[in-house]
Amino acid sequence: GDSVTQMEGPVTLSEEAFLTINCTYTATGYPSLFWYVQYPGEGLQLLLKATKADDKGSNKGFEATYRKETTSFHLEKGSVQVSDSAVYFCALRGGTGGFKTIFGAGTRLFVKA
Amino acid sequence: GAVVSQHPSRVICKSGTSVKIECRSLDFQATTMFWYRQFPKQSLMLMATSNEGSKATYEQGVEKDKFLINHASLTLSTLTVTSAHPEDSSFYICSASKGLATTGELFFGEGSRLTVL
Repeated sequence: GDSVTQMEGPVTLSEEAFLTINCTYTATGYPSLFWYVQYPGEGLQLLLKATKADDKGSNKGFEATYRKETTSFHLEKGSVQVSDSAVYFCALRGGTGGFKTIFGAGTRLFVKA
Repeated sequence: GAVVSQHPSRVICKSGTSVKIECRSLDFQATTMFWYRQFPKQSLMLMATSNEGSKATYEQGVEKDKFLINHASLTLSTLTVTSAHPEDSSFYICSASKGLATTGELFFGEGSRLTVL
C-alpha cells in the first residue's frame, strides 16, 4: 500500500538557519503531495501542495518540489523564524488508497531565537 | 475559507462509558469526512472514512463496534467511542474535503483529547 516516510525529529535550528525536512513516498499512480503543519495547540492546516510531477508548491517562504524520479517531496525554507516552530507532516492522496490521505510520522521543528 | 469544528476539545470519562465526538463543517458541505487518531509520537492513523448517508468504511484493525461513526448530514459526522477503556485514550482528529478530487486538501478540526480513567 501507499506510504510516506519523513525524517525523524526533533529538528532544532537557530533563527535564520536553512531548513530541509526530507520526505519520500511509495505509491502507484499519480498521487497529489502535501505538507501540513500543526502549530502548538492548533489543528493541522495545509502548508503547501503539488498535484503533479515537477510542480513546486510554496507558501510562507516554504517550498517543496514534486520529484517523481526520486519519489520525494522535500520541504525547504531559506531562513526560519521562531514562529515556524511546529510539527510538519508530509502526506499523499490519490495513490493506491484513492481518496484517502496518508501521512508521514511528522517532524517536530524547534527554532531558537 | 473552510472551517471544521470539533467538539469537545477535551473529555475525561470513566472506563466502560461511551463518549461522542462531533465534527462539523461550518461553511461548506462535506460529502466525506475522515477520522484520524494521533499517537503520542505524532503519527496520524486513519481510522475510517465517513460518507454522508451511508455506512463508514473502516481501516483494517479498527473495531467498527467500538468506534461508531455516523454521518447523518453533509455538515456533521460523529464518532462514538463505546465502552471506553484506558487504551482508547488518545487524540482524535476529524477532517473533511471539499468535493471529490484527490488533488484537494483536507480541512481539520481542532482535535479531541480523550482520557479514559
